[in-house]
Amino acid sequence: DAGVIQSPRHEVTEMGQEVTLRCKPISGHNSLFWYRQTMMRGLELLIYFNNNVPIDDSGMPEDRFSAKMPNASFSTLKIQPSEPRDSAVYFCASSSRDRPTDTQYFGPGTRLTVL
Amino acid sequence: DAKTTQPPSMDCAEGRAANLPCNHSTISGNEYVYWYRQIHSQGPQYIIHGLKNNETNEMASLIITEDRKSSTLILPHATLRDTAVYYCIVKGSGAGSYQLTFGKGTKLSVIP
Repeated sequence: DAGVIQSPRHEVTEMGQEVTLRCKPISGHNSLFWYRQTMMRGLELLIYFNNNVPIDDSGMPEDRFSAKMPNASFSTLKIQPSEPRDSAVYFCASSSRDRPTDTQYFGPGTRLTVL
Repeated sequence: DAKTTQPPSMDCAEGRAANLPCNHSTISGNEYVYWYRQIHSQGPQYIIHGLKNNETNEMASLIITEDRKSSTLILPHATLRDTAVYYCIVKGSGAGSYQLTFGKGTKLSVIP
């Protein structure tokens, strides 16, 4: 089975540009998570969707960040406008909340560099 | 969710068992112990999880003490590809317990 798919794998952009990261969760999973990893802060949860509905977006840094999940097989994380401090690796993870223990499976990540 | 404490780094000889400890003295009765690892430049990889009983899968074994205040992840025959940062995470199973809180983990170096 295919795991979580993320695109692009690498993104280099200039400050002020819009950046869109994409995620396809594992088929059949109904929960999706966006995480960000930096050297300073480690891995931190940005937003959590359950059944395509955002449940917890308290980790989203500021209004420049937005996330959508239009259907069960696709999600986007958008940064507009991007800033150099947004440079990080962004991971998407999915899980099945129907099970007693909902193990999260992570994608390979998108390495974002904002110049 | 309960906090975990892990040693920052460990070395293990290739082919030997790697035993990675984790303390979680404030764990509550419905919280599970999860282990993930992150190989350089890759996403976190799920390894194993458990509640009370010891667990084993194709990757590793998880030994949880009877009082559940600590656990040990065992990689029975470490290879160079097991070099990674290993995270021990405690998480509940209820509807409100969805977040994985990653600490600094243990950096395991498998030495030839």
